[in-house]
Amino acid sequence: ETGVTQTPRHLVMGMTNKKSLKCEQHLGHNAMYWYKQSAKKPLELMFVYNFKEQTENNSVPSRFSPECPNSSHLFLHLHTLQPEDSALYLCASSREGQNNSPLHFGNGTRLTVT
Amino acid sequence: QKEVEQNSGPLSVPEGAIASLNCTYSDRGSQSFFWYRQYSGKSPELIMFIYSNGDKEDGRFTAQLNKASQYVSLLIRDSQPSDSATYLCAVQPNTGNQFYFGTGTSLTVIP
Repeated sequence: ETGVTQTPRHLVMGMTNKKSLKCEQHLGHNAMYWYKQSAKKPLELMFVYNFKEQTENNSVPSRFSPECPNSSHLFLHLHTLQPEDSALYLCASSREGQNNSPLHFGNGTRLTVT
Repeated sequence: QKEVEQNSGPLSVPEGAIASLNCTYSDRGSQSFFWYRQYSGKSPELIMFIYSNGDKEDGRFTAQLNKASQYVSLLIRDSQPSDSATYLCAVQPNTGNQFYFGTGTSLTVIP
C-alpha cells in the first residue's frame, strides 16, 4: 500500500459521541498534518507534527485532540463536536527540511455532526 | 496574516483553449509555490511546484512565478473536459512547515 491512507471515508456522529480519525503514510515522510476543508473557505491547518512532535496548533478547539504515536501514524480524536465542525478532514504528509517538498494528501474523511 | 488569494471563478473555457489561473500572496518571503487540483468530493492532488522566477513547464501545464509582483499562475494548454476541477494555490514561507492555501478557482472546460 502506498501514499496516505485515511479512515473512515465518511463519518456521521452525534454531538455527544466520541470518535477518532486515522491516518497512515507510507512515503517515509517525517511531517504529518491535519487540515479542515469547509465549503467556500481555504484549507485550514489544524495541527502539524514533525518526527512525532507537535509543532503547530492553530488555535484549534480542545474538542479536537491529535495524537501522533510515530512518524507514520496520525490520529484525530473527536468529542462533543458541534454541527459547524462538519467538514472534510484531510491528512497530509511531507518531508520537512527539504525545500519544495509538497504536501501529499489522503482521501479525506467527510464528517457530519448531527 | 499570510494570505493567498485566488479568483474563485467559476472560470469557463472551451475545449482546446488555454485556461489561465492566477494567485497572489502577501508574504514576500515565501519560497515555494504549489498548484493542486481537486475534483469534487476528492482530495487535492499535486500538479506542479515552482520556486524560481520564470516559467516551469510540465506537459500541458505551465507554472509562472513573479516574486517581485507576488503572483504565481498556472496555464493549462489544450484544455480538456477532464481538467474541470478546482485548482488550489499553496504557498510555503521560508521557514517552518506551514502551507497557506487559497480558496481555489473552479474551472469548467466546455466540450
